[in-house]
Amino acid sequence: AQRVTQPEKLLSVFKGAPVELKCNYSYSGSPELFWYVQYSRQRLQLLLRHISRESIKGFTADLNKGETSFHLKKPFAQEEDSAMYYCALRAGNQFYFGTGTSLTVIP
Amino acid sequence: DAGITQSPRHKVTETGTPVTLRCHQTENHRYMYWYRQDPGHGLRLIHYSYGVKDTDKGEVSDGYSVSRSKTEDFLLTLESATSSQTSVYFCAIREGLSYNEQFFGPGTRLTVL
Repeated sequence: AQRVTQPEKLLSVFKGAPVELKCNYSYSGSPELFWYVQYSRQRLQLLLRHISRESIKGFTADLNKGETSFHLKKPFAQEEDSAMYYCALRAGNQFYFGTGTSLTVIP
Repeated sequence: DAGITQSPRHKVTETGTPVTLRCHQTENHRYMYWYRQDPGHGLRLIHYSYGVKDTDKGEVSDGYSVSRSKTEDFLLTLESATSSQTSVYFCAIREGLSYNEQFFGPGTRLTVL
């Protein structure tokens, strides 16, 4: 069965510190993974997808098929990064989301 | 906002009443989705559509039905609302050709008393 796990419900870091949001998945096929971000009172928006390998707002994520992980990283957190982050897996026409990690960047 | 709107944006209703939420898109995308967002559960797929009159169930479809009679509209109906259906409902669209990411609507906050 498809599953996405985000083990951290809450994460706090100081401004300027590195941040890593963890995501693990289980899927028997070839995975397509995404990170979505939801800022306060806004709709979810795509942050990045693994197939494009691009860096958005300084965030990167590498797909590690051996560890079935797709962790989101940023070397220097900014206050505007405070938001809810969701990891998502596409399986055919369906998408499976993790439970989300609420990131707070402390000034 | 990728041309996605949801209506109503907020609704309070009573247990046992029918409720219909509407998702409207202007992008002519093939795929449309309904999710519910709950603390501790993240987003969970209710139903999705892959074309006019073509729909399928997601992981939490019990108590919900959908209809898509036009490309631009995807309706979610709670036939008899229960308190457990109090949630924030998000609609999403996906092109499904070159790009597989989803674009989300602003959400509908539903409270069932």
